[in-house]
Amino acid sequence: EVRLLESGGGLVQPGGSLRLSCAASGFRFSNYAMSWVRQAPGKGLEWVSPISGSGDNTYYADSVKGRFTISRDNSKNTLYLQMNSLRAEDTAVYFCAKDVYNFWSAYGVFDYWGQGTLVTVSS
Amino acid sequence: QSVLTQPPSVSGAPGQRVTISCSGGSSNIGAAYDVNWYQQLPETAPKLLIYGNTNRPSRVPDRFSGSKSGTSASLAITGLQAEDEADYYCQSYDSSLSGYVFGTGTKVTVL
Repeated sequence: EVRLLESGGGLVQPGGSLRLSCAASGFRFSNYAMSWVRQAPGKGLEWVSPISGSGDNTYYADSVKGRFTISRDNSKNTLYLQMNSLRAEDTAVYFCAKDVYNFWSAYGVFDYWGQGTLVTVSS
Repeated sequence: QSVLTQPPSVSGAPGQRVTISCSGGSSNIGAAYDVNWYQQLPETAPKLLIYGNTNRPSRVPDRFSGSKSGTSASLAITGLQAEDEADYYCQSYDSSLSGYVFGTGTKVTVL
């Protein structure tokens, strides 16, 4: 059974940092690209960043470029999102999502999602 | 501001058929990129409903179907059931943004 479990969310002040983790199980983690998707309270879904199965290829939405860094440790079956210079508009539930492909491409499909972890940026 | 537009809400009585539209443009749906659909039940994570415009994962009932034409896509739910009350999102790729985009989301209410 595929399981994705996010952790690391919490309350942080504007300008602060936070690192999210997503522990994966039930599939060969290194064989699949992963993404972070967020959802602000009462709002829709926003794709944040993908990473290929090997970790060699990453990309970032303009809204987080230069502030967030996605990475993965395939030996630990864990996905990460380092978030720096946090802003109030980064407040959201952050989901990790598994892609059906090894590399991230224009044809990605998110077939499994974690339950999400809430990040609140406020003073 | 999403580049994929969905109606904010649709509703129907149990057993009825409802459709949700996803309107895009020439840099996403109209550029032949696939459309995927996700269902998000209240207070839960999204789940894949339709992929590659028309394909259903094996666990998804055949009451759900997807279609695509031109710069738009649609999700149809036939034989509407109370358990279908949820938010539904389309998703595709946008070449202008060089990334994935989600639709604005549609809340389905079963009357």
